[in-house]
Amino acid sequence: GAVVSQHPSWVICKSGTSVKIECRSLDFQATTMFWYRQFPKQSLMLMATSNEGSKATYEQGVEKDKFLINHASLTLSTLTVTSAHPEDSSFYICSASFGSMNTEAFFGQGTRLTVV
Amino acid sequence: AQTVTQSQPEMSVQEAETVTLSCTYDTSESDYYLFWYKQPPSRQMILVIRQEAYKQQNATENRFSVNFQKAAKSFSLKISDSQLGDAAMYFCASPTRGAQKLVFGQGTRLTINP
Repeated sequence: GAVVSQHPSWVICKSGTSVKIECRSLDFQATTMFWYRQFPKQSLMLMATSNEGSKATYEQGVEKDKFLINHASLTLSTLTVTSAHPEDSSFYICSASFGSMNTEAFFGQGTRLTVV
Repeated sequence: AQTVTQSQPEMSVQEAETVTLSCTYDTSESDYYLFWYKQPPSRQMILVIRQEAYKQQNATENRFSVNFQKAAKSFSLKISDSQLGDAAMYFCASPTRGAQKLVFGQGTRLTINP
């Protein structure tokens, strides 16, 4: 299957600083990528849809000014958590697919963010 | 709105036995796909099996099979000959209409007892 690489795997940052998480499709082009957030022992919650060359589409309740998404190329999407606070601590996962709504989604390894 | 529901927060099974995980969904679409994903302790999401709604035959992948009941909007996962490596969170998921984004169920934590 296709490979999606997410970096870093874990990060610790101080409250008030910004953190950038990268999601790369290594062997295919992804016009659309997705960012999820997962709290402990809970399901994946979609945060936003990242579209190459255009603005991201955020789900209801997700602060777009706090979670900045950039999809500058067909293989890279980034999520920047701005002015991070302890409540932003969570597990963030990206995914990408080839393009059809019915094809398999390939997931990154996830990033564990801890804000202290 | 599309919804996916998993009513079993936790399940356990003896090694080598068979276990079935339940999933129900709600959709207005006539043609759609359904997925089961596995999330082991590493937290990497792995596709287990996929079912096409217009196919009447239940999908099968080695020890994993589904019982797809379209009229009842039910999509259960059967794991045969359970192995210790099957221990994980299992999520049922379906794409939303006109988009590629997935809606996930709440998940079922599966424990394999040796």
